[in-house]
Amino acid sequence: QQQVKQSPQSLIVQKGGIPIINCAYENTAFDYFPWYQQFPGKGPALLIAIRPDVSEKKEGRFTISFNKSAKQFSLHIMDSQPGDSATYFCAADGGSQGNLIFGKGTKLSVKP
Amino acid sequence: DAGVTQSPTHLIKTRGQQVTLRCSPISGHKSVSWYQQVLGQGPQFIFQYYEKEERGRGNFPDRFSARQFPNYSSELNVNALLLGDSALYLCASSLEAVWTDTQYFGPGTRLTVL
Repeated sequence: QQQVKQSPQSLIVQKGGIPIINCAYENTAFDYFPWYQQFPGKGPALLIAIRPDVSEKKEGRFTISFNKSAKQFSLHIMDSQPGDSATYFCAADGGSQGNLIFGKGTKLSVKP
Repeated sequence: DAGVTQSPTHLIKTRGQQVTLRCSPISGHKSVSWYQQVLGQGPQFIFQYYEKEERGRGNFPDRFSARQFPNYSSELNVNALLLGDSALYLCASSLEAVWTDTQYFGPGTRLTVL
């Protein structure tokens, strides 16, 4: 019940494409859903986060869609660029302070 | 402003040894969390400390311990190292201990256990 399931494991798109990464959770007590971007050799960096009281949130080229009834949320990257090539993690609050539960990650490759 | 810093960058130990990893949070941040990231997986929560007190603990054995100092820096200790402890250990800091506070991650310490 504490898991966050993320798919796909890897994704290859052409420059300008719109990669979509999906996550699902079981615990309805989760109340905060951040997405992190991680480049090789670096720690994860927060991209965008959403609370379940909204269905969509946009920040620049990044959009989170949230479906509370289905317990699913997804990340869309508009007009993807080669510089977006990284591993993306969805996460959910673990019910206690400072505890994030991460998905297994999606390795995105954007081809020029 | 400096981000979260961690030391050392890399570490090689043998089974049974003990290791201490260090973390300095962003200036003004009072909360520090530790995560273990095994290759190809997402980070897993180990500990959270706030104002020198443990506020949360993940599903890790007692071989793992941590502490936070008055300047809010933190150490993670792992005793009796196992091969399976090989991972990237990440430290994250946030202003307070509220879970909606953004957690800022450091670059991590890569631990290899031989």
